[in-house]
Amino acid sequence: GENVEQHPSTLSVQEGDSAVIKCTYSDSASNYFPWYKQELGKRPQLIIDIRSNVGEKKDQRIAVTLNKTAKHFSLHITETQPEDSAVYFCAAKRITSGTYKYIFGTGTRLKVLA
Amino acid sequence: DTGVSQNPRHKITKRGQNVTFRCDPISEHNRLYWYRQTLGQGPEFLTYFQNEAQLEKSRLLSDRFSAERPKGSFSTLEIQRTEQGDSAMYLCATLPANTGELFFGEGSRLTVL
Repeated sequence: GENVEQHPSTLSVQEGDSAVIKCTYSDSASNYFPWYKQELGKRPQLIIDIRSNVGEKKDQRIAVTLNKTAKHFSLHITETQPEDSAVYFCAAKRITSGTYKYIFGTGTRLKVLA
Repeated sequence: DTGVSQNPRHKITKRGQNVTFRCDPISEHNRLYWYRQTLGQGPEFLTYFQNEAQLEKSRLLSDRFSAERPKGSFSTLEIQRTEQGDSAMYLCATLPANTGELFFGEGSRLTVL
């Protein structure tokens, strides 16, 4: 069935260090992989995404990599700052018979220690 | 604010009562989703509308749950005979026709006593 696994569930890094969050999806029909950041009490917001025909995408300190063969994708945050502290969710989208379905991972709570 | 709007933001109810949540999407976003989020978990898919048609429902959605989007604009999610296990944040998200970005509302937090 459809499933997205996300690791680790919590991650603490020193300010300035890098953080990596990994996800694995099960549905080979998935073709779009967004990452959302959710601050406490706020709505999830898109921070970066990648489509299945691309292996890597970068936006300033944030990058995402995709390995379609292994069905893995990862979020990389470099030079972390205290304001990066939040819960991060990966997701996988598939289109079936015109239906767009998004399945989310269980989240990673990132703490950046000053 | 022209984002996705959800009401009420918080609802406290006694077990056995019915509750209804409303989602007003960004205009012209024809796809609308309901998700449930419990503490420490990611959003769980509940149901999906394309315009007024409900195209998919999760097996998580028992017969106590019903969702509508009568004119393809706002949507309602009703929970009948609430149970304590229904306590969660109910998130609405909408999707425009030409991108993959889901736009989430602030959510409606339900507490069932």
